[in-house]
Amino acid sequence: AQRVTQPEKLLSVFKGAPVELKCNYSYSGSPELFWYVQYSRQRLQLLLRHISRESIKGFTADLNKGETSFHLKKPFAQEEDSAMYYCAPTFYNQGGKLIFGQGTELSVKP
Amino acid sequence: EAGVTQSPTHLIKTRGQQATLRCSPISGHTSVYWYQQALGLGLQFLLWYDEGEERNRGNFPPRFSGRQFPNYSSELNVNALELEDSALYLCASSLIVPGGTQYFGPGTRLLVL
Repeated sequence: AQRVTQPEKLLSVFKGAPVELKCNYSYSGSPELFWYVQYSRQRLQLLLRHISRESIKGFTADLNKGETSFHLKKPFAQEEDSAMYYCAPTFYNQGGKLIFGQGTELSVKP
Repeated sequence: EAGVTQSPTHLIKTRGQQATLRCSPISGHTSVYWYQQALGLGLQFLLWYDEGEERNRGNFPPRFSGRQFPNYSSELNVNALELEDSALYLCASSLIVPGGTQYFGPGTRLLVL
């Protein structure tokens, strides 16, 4: 069965520090990979997806097929990055449902 | 452009009752997904509707059901409510399936007493 692991429940960094949110997945098909973010009192929204290879709000994510990882990175964290981050692959042979990790709460301190 | 909308925002029911949750997708989106976010369990896939048909369902009992209307809006019904059904229920819509970006609504928070 497909499984997504976000090992850190809470990640706390200082403003300006680099940040990396880890995501590992197991799969038996071809995944499309997403990161979703939920800011306080806002709805869940797309941060970035692998296929577009965009950098959104300074975040990037690299797919490592060998390690089956899709870690999210930002070189200089900002206070407004504080939010809940979810890694969510979707598998074409599963009808496109998102399989969410448990989420990592990022806290950026001034 | 209006986003995904859900109603009601909050719903309080007692054990054994039925709950009905509603979702309106982004205009032009034909697929609707339902997810449950229960405390301690994370976000779990419930149901997927596309072009009026149920296409996939997650590991939930049959008392979780729904439908999609000709205008692509959707309804989630939960029968014989149990305390553990208390959760935030999220609806998402997508234009391209599978693999397309899903856009989420604000959710309906269901409390079962």
